[in-house]
Amino acid sequence: EAQVTQNPRYLITVTGKKLTVTCSQNMNHEYMSWYRQDPGLGLRQIYYSMNVEVTDKGDVPEGYKVSRKEKRNFPLILESPSPNQTSLYFCASRQPGTSQRETQYFGPGTRLLVL
Amino acid sequence: DAKTTQPPSMDCAEGRAANLPCNHSTISGNEYVYWYRQIHSQGPQYIIHGLKNNETNEMASLIITEDRKSSTLILPHATLRDTAVYYCIVRPSNDYKLSFGAGTTVTVRA
Repeated sequence: EAQVTQNPRYLITVTGKKLTVTCSQNMNHEYMSWYRQDPGLGLRQIYYSMNVEVTDKGDVPEGYKVSRKEKRNFPLILESPSPNQTSLYFCASRQPGTSQRETQYFGPGTRLLVL
Repeated sequence: DAKTTQPPSMDCAEGRAANLPCNHSTISGNEYVYWYRQIHSQGPQYIIHGLKNNETNEMASLIITEDRKSSTLILPHATLRDTAVYYCIVRPSNDYKLSFGAGTTVTVRA
């Protein structure tokens, strides 16, 4: 089954304690991205990656890092989490190129609470 | 990207068609209309997209006006599982970033 998986699904942590949210896709997609979703602010892109070793900032990259060492994985790293990073996080992937079908898939989400 | 305007909420009876409007009066010639939905904090799910012709797939139909300034998503036979927030987005097809606003909260009632 084609899917994007994220772990953990729920996480409570404290300010300053480094954490990593993993994202993996089994569709051999080149494009992957991370979003955060907050009430009243909608869905905002944090980082994206067009391919292995190619990453770029989205709209709200401050406080986050990513890496893309292999095609299937795109972890999101919070080196020193702060309470304003409390949010619902989604990973997404798709195959670039125009196509008749928008094949962007989202993971189930990771709900993060930073105390 | 062009902005979109959607009603904040709407109700629909189970088994009836749900018609969701979206205004995008500043849409550019190279921008497509996309529809996604999100069921209670789950990952967004793609529904359909189109440029200027009407489109239909197994989930829904998309009707785009001739001037492309507005569109309507049609769920032909709404079920309780269609209760979700529906987002209308316009963007070029080669821009993969999604930006969701408030969307329309659709509640399907038995």
